[in-house]
Amino acid sequence: EVQLVESGGGLVQPGGSLRLSCAASGLSFSGYSMNWVRQAPGKGLEWISYITGSSSVIHYADSVKGRFTVSRDNAKNSVYLQMNSLRAEDTAVYYCASSYGHLNYWGQGTLVTVSS
Amino acid sequence: DIVMTQSPDSLAVSLGERATINCKSSQSVLSSSNNKNNLVWYQQKPGQPPKVLIQWASTRESGVPDRFTGRGSGTDFSLTINNLQAEDVAVYYCQQYYNIPRTFGQGTKLEIK
Repeated sequence: EVQLVESGGGLVQPGGSLRLSCAASGLSFSGYSMNWVRQAPGKGLEWISYITGSSSVIHYADSVKGRFTVSRDNAKNSVYLQMNSLRAEDTAVYYCASSYGHLNYWGQGTLVTVSS
Repeated sequence: DIVMTQSPDSLAVSLGERATINCKSSQSVLSSSNNKNNLVWYQQKPGQPPKVLIQWASTRESGVPDRFTGRGSGTDFSLTINNLQAEDVAVYYCQQYYNIPRTFGQGTKLEIK
């Protein structure tokens, strides 16, 4: 069974930083691209980042470009999202999701709240 | 960026009846390499992550009831739910995986009338 488990969310002040982690099991991790998708409270889904299995290709949504950095460690079956210069509008549940084409497996998400 | 537009934003259908959700992309998501539409439908229930219902616009995921049917090609797609059940109450999203950024529709909230 495939499992993706996010961690690292919490309350942070505007301008602060947070690092999210996503631990994967049950899949050949290095063979999958990984994504981060967020969902603000009561809102829709927003794709924010993508990294290929070898980390050779990385993409970001314009809304987070220059502030967020995605990385992965295939030896640890994990993907990370370093979030800097956080804003109130970054408040959301953050999901990691694997992709082989579409986003096929999703974690349960971790809540990030940016507030003073 | 490819803009995905769903209609309607919300929908109320009686139990046992049919619900249809539409999704339109601002440009074609049909891949010339495999002649498949890079379009997926998700179902999201409160407090849960999205669940894949249909990929390649019309291929039902394993375990998804055959009441769910995806159709369309190019820029126009639909998700039809026949014989609506109470457990189908959810928000439904389409998403294109033709290119980056992977854009979602705004979601359609399905309720029981």
